Amino acid sequence: ETGVTQSPTHLIKTRGQQVTLRCSSQSGHNTVSWYQQALGQGPQFIFQYYREEENGRGNFPPRFSGLQFPNYSSELNVNALELDDSALYLCASSWGGTSGNTIYFGEGSWLTVV
Amino acid sequence: EDKVVQSPLSLVVHEGDTVTLNCSYEVTNFRSLLWYKQEKKAPTFLFMLTSSGIEKKSGRLSSILDKKELSSILNITATQTGDSAIYLCAVEPGANSKLTFGKGITLSVRP
Repeated sequence: ETGVTQSPTHLIKTRGQQVTLRCSSQSGHNTVSWYQQALGQGPQFIFQYYREEENGRGNFPPRFSGLQFPNYSSELNVNALELDDSALYLCASSWGGTSGNTIYFGEGSWLTVV
Repeated sequence: EDKVVQSPLSLVVHEGDTVTLNCSYEVTNFRSLLWYKQEKKAPTFLFMLTSSGIEKKSGRLSSILDKKELSSILNITATQTGDSAIYLCAVEPGANSKLTFGKGITLSVRP
């Protein structure tokens, strides 16, 4: 157990719909990063939030957006869903400036787009 | 653009065998290389290797960082069925927790 919780664990959406995924970070962590892991692939960095501001973005289109709240929990929103958005979405929390062995991953949200 | 390549992409071994998993990388401003084990959902941290800590060992698992060759290996000795998983290699450029992962290596250990 890492203390990072994600919801929902599984969901099915139709192409063109919108989805919101949620992440509660580890206590004391102020940084949340989101990753997309398609089947048979490694996780790909989507974006990171640090103290409620976006702090870096990977190669994902603008229909992927996010928020971080004052309690450092975070949301990932995806608009106009496409079939290729089907993947495991992982949230990782950390304390800004610390090294990789203090990054904690949540169990992920499985998104299926049909 | 940072890049991580893992090989082989999959392998099947029998219990008791020793395996070596490979990871090569290209990254600007290297800070650390991380190995994770993934058994369906959240990646589980195994090792972090840095310029000041190039060898790590924990039980049957060990890992080495080759700074000259920009690569790392993860060794598992006396494999068990519980070692069956996807092994992910990632690099961290700078202290910002933004990881670049390889595709992962699927290891299957048969009884």
